[in-house]
Parts: sequence; structure tokens; C-alpha cells
Amino acid sequence: EAGVTQFPSHSVIEKGQTVTLRCDPISGHDNLYWYRRVMGKEIKFLLHFVKESKQDESGMPNNRFLAERTGGTYSTLKVQPAELEDSGVYFCASSQEAGNPYEQYFGPGTRLTVT
Amino acid sequence: AQSVTQLDSHVSVSEGTPVLLRCNYSSSYSPSLFWYVQHPNKGLQLLLKYTSAATLVKGINGFEAEFKKSETSFHLTKPSAHMSDAAEYFCVVRTGGFKTIFGAGTRLFVKA
Repeated sequence: EAGVTQFPSHSVIEKGQTVTLRCDPISGHDNLYWYRRVMGKEIKFLLHFVKESKQDESGMPNNRFLAERTGGTYSTLKVQPAELEDSGVYFCASSQEAGNPYEQYFGPGTRLTVT
Repeated sequence: AQSVTQLDSHVSVSEGTPVLLRCNYSSSYSPSLFWYVQHPNKGLQLLLKYTSAATLVKGINGFEAEFKKSETSFHLTKPSAHMSDAAEYFCVVRTGGFKTIFGAGTRLFVKA
């Protein structure tokens, strides 16, 4: 069974540019999550999709971030325009069901560097 | 409110000696607790989880953790460290409402 995949693995962009991160969850997992780890800080929740609907987007930092999950399969996270403080590692996870005790399976992350 | 505190940012052990990574949590509800490990350039991998069953939880690769409600702790242990255990470890708490809270991570170094 293929795990959660993320693309790209690394991205270096200039301040003001746009970047789109992609996440492919495990097939059949309706729940998809985005997390972010800014340098030296904890991994923080960004948002949670159930199929194509946003269940919880309370962690999204501001309106420069837009997440989509058209068709309930893969998801994209767009940052527009990127700022220096957006640098960090963006993780995606998926699970068959939400909540306890269901395990979230994580992808390897996308390391975003904004210069 | 829920929170997780990993008491050590770095832990260094010699190969073959015990490992102890400490985690304290705060939760208003009965939480589920997890330990994840991240090796370089890899995703977070679940080591073990506590979900209100047995308080001593055994995980993969010889790791185990004990849920102590009175101490609000969920420390991760392994009797004998291996070089391949060098990685970053995350303690995670999740309440029934799906919120997932990560600790800051503990980086484990294993010396030969």
C-alpha cells in the first residue's frame, strides 16, 4: 500500500512569489490534514478535510493560504504571496476515520524556504 | 486546554544503554496519546499509541510507553538503544474532538 506522498520535497522561492504544495493521501482515506513546522517550533495543525469539505481550518495562519481538495482525493496548499515567515516544513497526513483512536499517516513533508 | 511538553530537546545515549524520552501532557478530557518518530527525510512514523486500554503500551522497534494519569506523563522508553534509533521523536495528544497537539520534539543521539 502506497503511503502519503507530497510534492515537491523542497521548494525555494522568493518573497512575494506563489507556491503550491501537493499531497496525495492513502487511497480510501477520507480525512486529510495539513500541518506546518516553522523552524524551531512545534508542528502545528493547519486544517482538516473530510472528503472535499473543510472540517476545520482553524489553524490556517491568514488568507494568504488556500487549501483545496477537489474531488476528495489529492489536496493542494497554495501560499500567495509567500512571506519569509512561511518558511518551514509542511506535512500532510491522512486517516481512514477522524478522531481517536484512528492513526494519522504522515507524508515526508515539503520543506519550503522563502528568501 | 490541551498541551504537550517534551522535557528534553536533546537526549544523548550510548549504544546498548537505555533510552528515556519524557513527555507530560495536559488535557481536560481523556486523551489519546501517541509517540511518533521522524528519521531524516522521512515522514512521521507511529511508534505507539495509548487509547484508554492498557496503561503500558508496547510499540515497534522495542519501544514502550507508560501512561500515568496521576503524573500526567507518557514517557517513552527502550531498554537498549541502537544506532538506528537516532531520530527526532514527537509526543502527541489528541482529544476526542480531533484536535492534535504536538510536543516540540526530542532529538535522540546514539553514540557508538
